[in-house]
Amino acid sequence: DARVTQTPRHKVTEMGQEVTMRCQPILGHNTVFWYRQTMMQGLELLAYFRNRAPLDDSGMPKDRFSAEMPDATLATLKIQPSEPRDSAVYFCASGLVPDGRGATDTQYFGPGTRLTVL
Amino acid sequence: RKEVEQDPGPFNVPEGATVAFNCTYSNSASQSFFWYRQDCRKEPKLLMSVYSSGNEDGRFTAQLNRASQYISLLIRDSKLSDSATYLCVVSPNTGFQKLVFGTGTRLLVSP
Repeated sequence: DARVTQTPRHKVTEMGQEVTMRCQPILGHNTVFWYRQTMMQGLELLAYFRNRAPLDDSGMPKDRFSAEMPDATLATLKIQPSEPRDSAVYFCASGLVPDGRGATDTQYFGPGTRLTVL
Repeated sequence: RKEVEQDPGPFNVPEGATVAFNCTYSNSASQSFFWYRQDCRKEPKLLMSVYSSGNEDGRFTAQLNRASQYISLLIRDSKLSDSATYLCVVSPNTGFQKLVFGTGTRLLVSP
């Protein structure tokens, strides 16, 4: 049963500290998404990768957030420096676009990283 | 105005009841529509896609009204296990699946 994995599952940190969240997409999937979920805003798309290349990071605060895919099995989301307003659940999702074109029909979500910034 | 709007609920219904949720979207160019289900403190999971002709999956029926820009989900014969938050999801046809999520409608099914 292939699944998206995320680490850590929970993170409590102090304001100003660097936070790195990791995601392992489902093997063979070529698209990766990062979302943030809060009670007020719901799920918001932060960034999107296809074949490891960033295609859309318009939802991500550029001054403190960065997203990368060092290889096909690892996606990272980094916040530096972290702020209390970054407290949220961060989800990674992956999907498959055949031949790298068109839209992926289903996104499979990981269990999320619950971040608390004090 | 949010791109996708839903009544947050909660909808409290007894087992066996029929319940319906609606959702409205603002982007008339939207092409793909979905319902996702999210259990408490869990990740969202695809429940069903929504097609213009309407579609049914067991006790669940989804409908799309493009003219009025709303999507509905009907659950018949509610089960305790249906208790969850139901997320209305819309995507523009931009060549990749940029999903826009509603904030969800919470359903509580009681014995």
